[in-house]
Amino acid sequence: AQSVTQLGSHVSVSEGALVLLRCNYSSSVPPYLFWYVQYPNQGLQLLLKYTTGATLVKGINGFEAEFKKSETSFHLTKPSAHMSDAAEYFCAVSDVGGGADGLTFGKGTHLIIQP
Amino acid sequence: DTAVSQTPKYLVTQMGNDKSIKCEQNLGHDTMYWYKQDSKKFLKIMFSYNNKELIINETVPNRFSPKSPDKAHLNLHINSLELGDSAVYFCASSSDVSGNTEAFFGQGTRLTVV
Repeated sequence: AQSVTQLGSHVSVSEGALVLLRCNYSSSVPPYLFWYVQYPNQGLQLLLKYTTGATLVKGINGFEAEFKKSETSFHLTKPSAHMSDAAEYFCAVSDVGGGADGLTFGKGTHLIIQP
Repeated sequence: DTAVSQTPKYLVTQMGNDKSIKCEQNLGHDTMYWYKQDSKKFLKIMFSYNNKELIINETVPNRFSPKSPDKAHLNLHINSLELGDSAVYFCASSSDVSGNTEAFFGQGTRLTVV
């Protein structure tokens, strides 16, 4: 069974600083990789995904992530944090061809932006 | 126009009751899901439904049953509610079962069992 590890249940950065949220997966075959964001009392919204091709993927709101197979990682970054980025961030994986099994999520990272 | 909509948004009920949560998607998607988010925000798949095929997470009690009257709807029925069922339940849909397509989530239903 797959698992997803997000290091740090809470990450605090200053406004304008670099955001780095870590995600590692454990799977014998590289899965499809996703980052979702959840704002308070709302559903999840896709930030970006990696399926095939270029390992650096760009998403919405200035976020990007890089798939590193050798490190089984898919860390999320944003060069300059904004107050509106405060939210819960989830890394998720899906087996290739396994969409019917749904997404396996990490435990989430709560991003706090300090003014 | 909301892509995936759930009703109700909040549901407070007593132990032992039976309740339902409705979900509708207007995206024309083939696959729908139910996820449970616990008090620690951990999300776990409960069911997926694709082309009349139901896949159940083995950890889900059989008090939970999804029902799909048509491709656009996947309702969640819960019998004999227990305190531990308190959580936020999310409905989601995706265009296919390839695994590489975006899942669209509803706003969630916060279920509180008292």
